[in-house]
Amino acid sequence: GAGVSQSPSNKVTEKGKDVELRCDPISGHTALYWYRQSLGQGLEFLIYFQGNSAPDKSGLPSDRFSAERTGGSVSTLTIQRTQQEDSAVYLCASSLGPRTDNSPLHFGNGTRLTVT
Amino acid sequence: GENVEQHPSTLSVQEGDSAVIKCTYSDSASNYFPWYKQELGKRPQLIIDIRSNVGEKKDQRIAVTLNKTAKHFSLHITETQPEDSAVYFCAARGSNYQLIWGAGTKLIIKP
Repeated sequence: GAGVSQSPSNKVTEKGKDVELRCDPISGHTALYWYRQSLGQGLEFLIYFQGNSAPDKSGLPSDRFSAERTGGSVSTLTIQRTQQEDSAVYLCASSLGPRTDNSPLHFGNGTRLTVT
Repeated sequence: GENVEQHPSTLSVQEGDSAVIKCTYSDSASNYFPWYKQELGKRPQLIIDIRSNVGEKKDQRIAVTLNKTAKHFSLHITETQPEDSAVYFCAARGSNYQLIWGAGTKLIIKP
């Protein structure tokens, strides 16, 4: 199937280490989103990429978080100097068109990050 | 800031009965309202959405209603079945085109 693929599915890391999470969107989808989902909580927006435009980084919680999208396809979310409060499921989603046209989001299965 | 409140946080209904989940939004400029279903251990998936130019939309056993004056919208599931058990998230598209999400409702269908 050609769904959104995320890796790794689970990541356990020690406090203070850096982690990289990967998202491979559906081919042809121009928009890519990163969300964070804490246990029992809703989806917290992190960052949005659309084509070659500058990303909307307004949801990144601190400067320890960064993301890039290379060649308009694969994206990596990097968390530096991880803290215990970073523990959550990180969801990636892609959509065919930009968010302005209300294209449905297609989510990956997420990466469960645990910081010990 | 913009926010979406979703109630109840947990809903338990008997199989075959109806379930209603309600959301209230704060941004009067919101014009798009999707609902996503997340089964245990799986990814969220869009089940229905509504735009602000209509008041109701149906798709088989599910329907969504929108009251723009009161700034609330609801998900209705009739004749509930075991496979309806999941967490349901509402969202509203804000004035900056970001989706603002509710905290989710865990729906439990009792046999």
